[in-house]
Amino acid sequence: DTGVSQNPRHKITKRGQNVTFRCDPISEHNRLYWYRQTLGQGPEFLTYFQNEAQLEKSRLLSDRFSAERPKGSFSTLEIQRTEQGDSAMYLCASSSMTLPGETQYFGPGTRLLVL
Amino acid sequence: SQQGEEDPQALSIQEGENATMNCSYKTSINNLQWYRQNSGRGLVHLILIRSNEREKHSGRLRVTLDTSKKSSSLLITASRAADTASYFCATLISSGSARQLTFGSGTQLTVLP
Repeated sequence: DTGVSQNPRHKITKRGQNVTFRCDPISEHNRLYWYRQTLGQGPEFLTYFQNEAQLEKSRLLSDRFSAERPKGSFSTLEIQRTEQGDSAMYLCASSSMTLPGETQYFGPGTRLLVL
Repeated sequence: SQQGEEDPQALSIQEGENATMNCSYKTSINNLQWYRQNSGRGLVHLILIRSNEREKHSGRLRVTLDTSKKSSSLLITASRAADTASYFCATLISSGSARQLTFGSGTQLTVLP
């Protein structure tokens, strides 16, 4: 257990529905990241927050995806009008500027299945 | 896009043997990190090596980095069945505000008891 928690751990939804995932980072970490991982592949970067500011977004993050970190603590990732291609594991990670090399600590992930 | 490529994609060894996994990447990096992932779980950070370092050890792990060849290797000595997992290399390229890790596609290691 790295100290990063994600909820829910599993989500099954029908195509076209909206889903929201939550990430609670390690409390003293000011940086938070979202990644997506499909079967047999490594994680791919989606977006990154420093405190409450969203500083970087991947081209993978289409208009249907939105992420927030309103108070610089927990973060939510929302997918609107889900598509079957959104099925993946969504991973959250956090880090601190003071950690060597900015080591990122990952949560257990939320596995999304879109039917 | 995947920056790193691990080799081999899958590796099966007997308990007690050493396991070596290789990673190649494409662009200049600040550091390279190795992560482990058990099936269906999150990633666990194993070791980080900076771009100005050539070798690093942590317990049964040994990592090397060759920036001229843009490659790294992870050696696990005296492997155990519990080492069975997927291993990923990830590169950090810090540019301005960017802090993303770029992962390879991983090596699936199976250690047979």
